[in-house]
Amino acid sequence: NAGVTQTPKFQVLKTGQSMTLQCAQDMNHEYMSWYRQDPGMGLRLIHYSVGAGITDQGEVPNGYNVSRSTTEDFPLRLLSAAPSQTSVYFCASSSGVGGYEQYFGPGTRLTVT
Amino acid sequence: TQLLEQSPQFLSIQEGENLTVYCNSSSVFSSLQWYRQEPGEGPVLLVTVVTGGEVKKLKRLTFQFGDARKDSSLHITAAQPGDTGLYLCAGYSGGGADGLTFGKGTHLIIQP
Repeated sequence: NAGVTQTPKFQVLKTGQSMTLQCAQDMNHEYMSWYRQDPGMGLRLIHYSVGAGITDQGEVPNGYNVSRSTTEDFPLRLLSAAPSQTSVYFCASSSGVGGYEQYFGPGTRLTVT
Repeated sequence: TQLLEQSPQFLSIQEGENLTVYCNSSSVFSSLQWYRQEPGEGPVLLVTVVTGGEVKKLKRLTFQFGDARKDSSLHITAAQPGDTGLYLCAGYSGGGADGLTFGKGTHLIIQP
């Protein structure tokens, strides 16, 4: 099992550019989430999905879109990148909520100039 | 959003010493998890505790969930350089997939 995979590992964007961060999992998990991690801020939830075709907003959704067309894939789209979106982005999946283990990908380090 | 405060933020100690890090909240959680994150990687689950007063041991690591389910601690005995990393606590307060709250983490460095 590859677990949770994310691409790219690193990305530099100019302000105003758009891009998609890819996330895939091979564990047949229903729940998938996107977090951003900033120094001194911890992990903050951007968007999450409880199954294919169902997505919802987390704590910091502005400037990001998601879709979930399959159980395996959960891409995160930056519509018009801003310097405030410079961060490390983690995708996670789990088989349930509550005390279920969150499996994280290796992260994407994004810099917006 | 439920708030989880972790302390200390940074801790640097010598190999062989013992240490405790804390995760505190004014809110009650139905479960609490501890993750460890190494540089350039995603967090990895260490333990989940669900019962007030519960104690779990993982080799040299001892995890405790407070009686009131508002706080937790992680104690490491005889720390080793391999314990170096960012330790995150995460509490679940119910309500669905957005009910998991992460603390800001404790950066732990174990010097040889």
